[in-house]
Amino acid sequence: ETGVTQSPTHLIKTRGQQVTLRCSSQSGHNTVSWYQQALGQGPQFIFQYYREEENGRGNFPPRFSGLQFPNYSSELNVNALELDDSALYLCASSGQLNEQFFGPGTRLTVL
Amino acid sequence: SQQGEEDPQALSIQEGENATMNCSYKTSINNLQWYRQNSGRGLVHLILIRSNEREKHSGRLRVTLDTSKKSSSLLITASRAADTASYFCATIYNQGGKLIFGQGTELSVKP
Repeated sequence: ETGVTQSPTHLIKTRGQQVTLRCSSQSGHNTVSWYQQALGQGPQFIFQYYREEENGRGNFPPRFSGLQFPNYSSELNVNALELDDSALYLCASSGQLNEQFFGPGTRLTVL
Repeated sequence: SQQGEEDPQALSIQEGENATMNCSYKTSINNLQWYRQNSGRGLVHLILIRSNEREKHSGRLRVTLDTSKKSSSLLITASRAADTASYFCATIYNQGGKLIFGQGTELSVKP
């Protein structure tokens, strides 16, 4: 158990819809990173939030956006869902050290 | 694009045998981390090795890092059926930066 939680566990949406995924970071961690993992692939970095500000972004379009709240929990929002957005979405929290602790993930299916 | 290349992509061994997985990366790193993932669930952090370290141990795990060859290996000794999982290496370039994952090695340990 890493202390990082994500909700929901599973989600089914249709193309064009919008989705919000949530992540609660481990106690004492002020940084949250989001990753997308397609089936059979390694996770791909989406973006990172540090103290409520975006602190780096991967190669994802603007319809992927995020927020971090004062308690360091975070949301990932995806607009105009596409079939290729179907994946496992992972969040990871980290503190002063570089070790990132991952949540169990949210499995998103876009039909 | 993903930074790391892992080898082999799949490995099948008998319980009690050792398992070795290799990872290569392309550019200079701050540290390298190994993660385990069971059946598409969250990633479990196994071990972190810094760029100025050459070898690190944790229980049955032994990780080596060769920065001149830009490669790392993970050795699991006396494997157990419970070690069956996908194993990923991930590199990080700067303090607090994003993790860049390889494609992973799928390990199957037969009882």
